[in-house]
Amino acid sequence: GAGVSQSPSNKVTEKGKDVELRCDPISGHTALYWYRQSLGQGLEFLIYFQGNSAPDKSGLPSDRFSAERTGGSVSTLTIQRTQQEDSAVYLCASSFPKETQYFGPGTRLLVL
Amino acid sequence: GQQLNQSPQSMFIQEGEDVSMNCTSSSIFNTWLWYKQDPGEGPVLLIALYKAGELTSNGRLTAQFGITRKDSFLNISASIPSDVGIYFCAGTTSGTYKYIFGTGTRLKVLA
Repeated sequence: GAGVSQSPSNKVTEKGKDVELRCDPISGHTALYWYRQSLGQGLEFLIYFQGNSAPDKSGLPSDRFSAERTGGSVSTLTIQRTQQEDSAVYLCASSFPKETQYFGPGTRLLVL
Repeated sequence: GQQLNQSPQSMFIQEGEDVSMNCTSSSIFNTWLWYKQDPGEGPVLLIALYKAGELTSNGRLTAQFGITRKDSFLNISASIPSDVGIYFCAGTTSGTYKYIFGTGTRLKVLA
């Protein structure tokens, strides 16, 4: 399809393990965002990529969180040494610069 | 992180009724967006507003960009069961990519 895709759709992991979440943005979109949505909450900004510029990492909650975007397209959000409070839905969105964002379906992460 | 104040937090309505929800900010915004999120899905853009006072419709949905630029309203007319979901507002100032999201209004429609 032509929309934003994310994988896996669901992930269950044990506390202390590392996880990788993947986002495939809409083709041609140079801007990519990661958000976290905790149960019953709004969207919390995590990180923003735009073209070849340095990413805005100001929303990452701790140094256990990191993200990469390879070749200006696919992005991976990595959470190291997961904690139970990391359980949430992780949403990816893409857009043309400063234009409206289109979201993927999210990855539901459960840390046991 | 910073969030907008969105109200009501949740609402139950009868099918066929009209629905109103709003979002307020302490900051002036240049763009307001309204999204709907169905259970288990990502948010889907409903309406985008770019100008103070702008009134825009999308089917049974109508949204307005408040004249003070600190608020926005979304109305749904003649609600139907598929309107169930969470409605989010989002706003941003000019020249920035960072959108601030509201906490959401959870809508449940009783048939």
